[in-house]
Order: sequence, then structure tokens, then C-alpha cells
Amino acid sequence: QVQLKESGPGLVQPSRTLSLTCTVSGFSLTSYGVSWVRQPPGKGLEWIAAIWSGGSTDYNSALKSRLSISRDTSKSQVLLKMNSLQTEDTAMYFCARPDNNYAFAYWGQGTLVTVSS
Amino acid sequence: DTVLTQSPALAVSPGERVTISCRASESVSTGMHWYQQKPGQQPKLLIYGASNLESGVPARFSGSGSGTDFTLTIDPVEADDTATYFCQQSWNDPTFGGGTKLELK
Repeated sequence: QVQLKESGPGLVQPSRTLSLTCTVSGFSLTSYGVSWVRQPPGKGLEWIAAIWSGGSTDYNSALKSRLSISRDTSKSQVLLKMNSLQTEDTAMYFCARPDNNYAFAYWGQGTLVTVSS
Repeated sequence: DTVLTQSPALAVSPGERVTISCRASESVSTGMHWYQQKPGQQPKLLIYGASNLESGVPARFSGSGSGTDFTLTIDPVEADDTATYFCQQSWNDPTFGGGTKLELK
């Protein structure tokens, strides 16, 4: 079945770069896109970036200058890098796969990222 | 960016009917979806394309609307429906509403 699993460092110092990995199973990254979505503690959801089945990418315009999304199809992994981290980047980071009408039908469990010195 | 506005909270009694609204700052056609999120869990897709029930979701949930005004209806509400409900549009780069926390009396 379709599964997504996020992994990351947990704690990142301010101004450093965050690297997150989404490992997928049950589908091919060359057939479906994957997005990253984050949620600060007690707050709402924010779409961050997407990589599509053909390899093209889209970014949240407010974060675009700090982001890079890529994939390794041989490992079934989607990689997200975000630089210049600040405390307001503290959040649960989810990867999700869109399905019908580009709704996010499948989600990982999320990985908590805390930005603190 | 397309801004989605939801009322922050609702309280209803089990067995009642509840409607949760979402208003978009510009038309998103029927590119609107609804999610349920319980504490400590990832969001769960309930409705896609404004009115289509996701597989496995109880028929108590329904969605309607197009353009800028959308509603999620739960009828009848059950105790397990206590959660936060988010709308999300996919007509432009995805954005989410702020969420509506549903509590049961």
C-alpha cells in the first residue's frame, strides 16, 4: 500500500540548513508527485514545495529563496533543503502525495523539527 | 496567494447536523478539499473536488460549493468527529484555511 515516511535531524541551530527526507513505498516517484507541508505547534498547515512526476518543481513563493526540493528515484526518496532557519521554522514537517484533483490523499506521520540554539 | 477563511471553532451535540464553512479570496472553481486532523495525527482527506467523498470516509460527511464559498457538512455528528477541520485549495499553489476546531457538547 501507499506509504510515506519522513526523516530529519530533530533539532537544528538557527541560521543553519535543514535537510529532510521522505521515503515512499507502494508507488513510483516517476508516476506521482510529492509535496512537503508543515505545521507549527498548535497552528495551521502550510504547503512548502512540490516535485512532480516529470521532475518539475514548485515552491511556496514566501519561502522560495530558501528552498530546494529534489528526488532520488532509485531510492524512492524526496529530499527537501531549507536554509537560514529561524525559530519560526519550528514545526512538524509532513510529506504528502496528491491524488484526485490534487488533493493530498496520502500523508506521512511527520517529523518534528525544532530550531533552537 | 489564495487566502482561505474558516471560522475558528464550533460546538455541537452528538446527533446534530453541523456545517463548516470556508471562503476563498478568489475563485478556485471546485478545487477545494477538506481534511480532518486529530491531535498528534496527520491530516486525513475527507472530501476532494468540493463534493467527492474520499474512499472509506463515512457518508455522514459531505461537501458542497464552487467558486469562493464552500461547506463541509457532518450529519449526524458523532463523538469521534471531535477534531480540527481544514479546507485546502488546489486551483493555485496550495493553501490551507486556518482550521475549524469542532467540539462536542
